Amino acid sequence: QKEVEQNSGPLSVPEGAIASLNCTYSDRGSQSFFWYRQYSGKSPELIMSIYSNGDKEDGRFTAQLNKASQYVSLLIRDSQPSDSATYLCAVLITGGFKTIFGAGTRLFVKA
Amino acid sequence: NAGVTQTPKFQVLKTGQSMTLQCAQDMNHNSMYWYRQDPGMGLRLIYYSASEGTTDKGEVPNGYNVSRLNKREFSLRLESAAPSQTSVYFCASSDPFGTAQETQYFGPGTRLLVL
Repeated sequence: QKEVEQNSGPLSVPEGAIASLNCTYSDRGSQSFFWYRQYSGKSPELIMSIYSNGDKEDGRFTAQLNKASQYVSLLIRDSQPSDSATYLCAVLITGGFKTIFGAGTRLFVKA
Repeated sequence: NAGVTQTPKFQVLKTGQSMTLQCAQDMNHNSMYWYRQDPGMGLRLIYYSASEGTTDKGEVPNGYNVSRLNKREFSLRLESAAPSQTSVYFCASSDPFGTAQETQYFGPGTRLLVL
């Protein structure tokens, strides 16, 4: 059973701080990794994808990947109250069309 | 461009009743998926269709059937609903060979309550 693990939180940070979200996965052969954001009562939407070891930056968001440690993280700089949501880590399983999602980390950004 | 649409938005069933959840996408995507989301469990894949004419089981297929009617439409059927199937159901689509490879686009969800 392929697994994706996340700390369920909630993670609470003050406005303007850096929020750090972490994820580990079990499938060593996975090559594609994603972070989705889900507001309460809404559907998930993609915010970042990453395929190579290292960092990938997009605005206030940075995704970090370490395949040797099977670890993916998401950093949100200058956190805003509008960033308050559940963040889902997702991993595309080797050789197929299946994406496995973590249970999500709830983030609260306090104004 | 509506993206991914789902009907109905909300449904209440009695145990043993059947129903079909409808999903359609207008992005010309090849792959479509059905997930369920329960508190603390994240999204779990029920069935997927890699391309028109094919369907495969995901993590939790028991109690469900699917039909890929054409490239646009992918339906999920509950033949005999059980309280354990109370959940939020999301349909998604992706284009594995497009410019946004493997990104999944989700519909608004169907909230199902089985009494």
